Amino acid sequence: GAVVSQHPSRVICKSGTSVKIECRSLDFQATTMFWYRQFPKQSLMLMATSNEGSKATYEQGVEKDKFLINHASLTLSTLTVTSAHPEDSSFYICSARVGGSSTDTQYFGPGTRLTVL
Amino acid sequence: AQTVTQSQPEMSVQEAETVTLSCTYDTSESDYYLFWYKQPPSRQMILVIRQEAYKQQNATENRFSVNFQKAAKSFSLKISDSQLGDAAMYFCAYFTSGTYKYIFGTGTRLKVLA
Repeated sequence: GAVVSQHPSRVICKSGTSVKIECRSLDFQATTMFWYRQFPKQSLMLMATSNEGSKATYEQGVEKDKFLINHASLTLSTLTVTSAHPEDSSFYICSARVGGSSTDTQYFGPGTRLTVL
Repeated sequence: AQTVTQSQPEMSVQEAETVTLSCTYDTSESDYYLFWYKQPPSRQMILVIRQEAYKQQNATENRFSVNFQKAAKSFSLKISDSQLGDAAMYFCAYFTSGTYKYIFGTGTRLKVLA
């Protein structure tokens, strides 16, 4: 299957700093990538949909100025958590969509655990 | 609005036995996709199986098969010959090109007993 990488896998930062998370599709081009947040023992919560070359679409309640998403190429999307605070500590997962009417499937990165001190 | 419901927070199965995980969904769309994803302790989401709504035949992937009942809006996952490596969280997911979003259920934690 398609491979999606995510970097870093873990990051610890101080409150007030910014953190960038990269999501790459390694063996395919992804016009659409998704960013999720997962709290312990809970399901995935969609934060935003990222389309190559255009602005991301954020879900209701997600601050676009805090969670900056850039989809600069067909294989790379980045999520920057700006001015991070302890409540931003979470597990962030990206996914890349392989489209096509008969093959639409989403492949996930391994996730990034963010801890804000 | 589309919703996905997994009514079993936790299930247990004896090794080598068969277990069925339930999933129901609500939608007014006629064309959509359904998925089961597995999330082991590593937290990497792994695609287990997918089903296109327009296909009547139930999808099968080795020991994993689904029972897709479109009229009842039900999409259960059957795991045959359960193995210790099957222990994980299982999420049912729905996708439609109408919204281009995946909607996930709350998950079922599967324990496999040796």
